[in-house]
Amino acid sequence: AQRVTQPEKLLSVFKGAPVELKCNYSYSGSPELFWYVQYSRQRLQLLLRHISRESIKGFTADLNKGETSFHLKKPFAQEEDSAMYYCALTALGAGSYQLTFGKGTKLSVIP
Amino acid sequence: DTGVSQNPRHKITKRGQNVTFRCDPISEHNRLYWYRQTLGQGPEFLTYFQNEAQLEKSRLLSDRFSAERPKGSFSTLEIQRTEQGDSAMYLCASSYLDTQYFGPGTRLTVL
Repeated sequence: AQRVTQPEKLLSVFKGAPVELKCNYSYSGSPELFWYVQYSRQRLQLLLRHISRESIKGFTADLNKGETSFHLKKPFAQEEDSAMYYCALTALGAGSYQLTFGKGTKLSVIP
Repeated sequence: DTGVSQNPRHKITKRGQNVTFRCDPISEHNRLYWYRQTLGQGPEFLTYFQNEAQLEKSRLLSDRFSAERPKGSFSTLEIQRTEQGDSAMYLCASSYLDTQYFGPGTRLTVL
């Protein structure tokens, strides 16, 4: 069974401070990990995926298979980063690519 | 094509009534997914189509739920004999491979 845990429901940081949103997963096979973001009154959208190893809007995430983690980081938070962030996992090679989501972390950037 | 669309955006119904939601995926996407999201939770997988074939169903999808995707284009999700516990946001997503693009969702309220 697949499981994604986001331990923080709410994270508040000051503008310009570093941000780290935690994500831990449980899956015995090869996972593909994603971060999705939902801004106020907008749809869920992909922020980044570990396979592409991109940096989007200054955010990065590294897959640590030893610690089964995929934490999302940004060195300097901006007010426009305030949103709901979801970590998600899919099983590589399983066929359907269904996503298993964590419960989400609400990031609030204080001006 | 402006992305995945869902109709209606909001639905209020009385317990025991049937409701049907529609999802129009991005045109070249052959995969279509339905998820349900309740307050404080991340989206939970319900079912998956590849073209017109429904290939996977979650145990969350009771026999009161049925989904179709005729001709591999739009999809409908029907809930029969609605219960108050069905109140949730119903999300549709589509993909060509593994990156899913989400619609705005249909919020169902069962009175």
